Amino acid sequence: GENVEQHPSTLSVQEGDSAVIKCTYSDSASNYFPWYKQELGKGPQLIIDIRSNVGEKKDQRIAVTLNKTAKHFSLHITETQPEDSAVYFCAASIGVGGQNFVFGPGTRLSVLP
Amino acid sequence: NAGVTQTPKFQVLKTGQSMTLQCAQDMNHEYMSWYRQDPGMGLRLIHYSVGAGITDQGEVPNGYNVSRSTTEDFPLRLLSAAPSQTSVYFCASRTLAGGYTDTQYFGPGTRLTVL
Repeated sequence: GENVEQHPSTLSVQEGDSAVIKCTYSDSASNYFPWYKQELGKGPQLIIDIRSNVGEKKDQRIAVTLNKTAKHFSLHITETQPEDSAVYFCAASIGVGGQNFVFGPGTRLSVLP
Repeated sequence: NAGVTQTPKFQVLKTGQSMTLQCAQDMNHEYMSWYRQDPGMGLRLIHYSVGAGITDQGEVPNGYNVSRSTTEDFPLRLLSAAPSQTSVYFCASRTLAGGYTDTQYFGPGTRLTVL
């Protein structure tokens, strides 16, 4: 079955610097890759996603890149702010038509003022 | 819209007790699912449903039952709680109108401790 690895498990950056989180997946049939942000005591919230027919997608300070050949995708956050501090999860679609997801173990990002 | 709601927020059970975690959504979403979140393991799918009357197993279904009698509600039942079921449980929903890439919305979670 699908396996999603995520690195690093923790990441500390200075405010204003960039942060990069990387994920790899094993199933070449996966075709949709969402990223979620989870703040303390809350449920995960979708922040950006990418489909397998696209190599990069940007939304203001957040971007995601996908390399289908290498089976890896990355989240890039530029000009980090303290409110970016949270746990970030990547996920890959699985199942009939990609209806379900396998999640990575998460990255705890701390943005230091 | 209240979105996805879950009750209770916290629960402590003794081994062998049963309980039901409630989940409801008011967005008329066809797809609903239950995940458990354990430290260092991300979220793992327990059960899911693509519509009323239809349920299926996910990655870790043992010890849990679900039913989907209405579009809005998707309760998760623990038949005989075990300490290994201590976890944070999240319910999620999304529409299937645009295929399987529409935004998935998560509830606030239920923190369950089994003693």
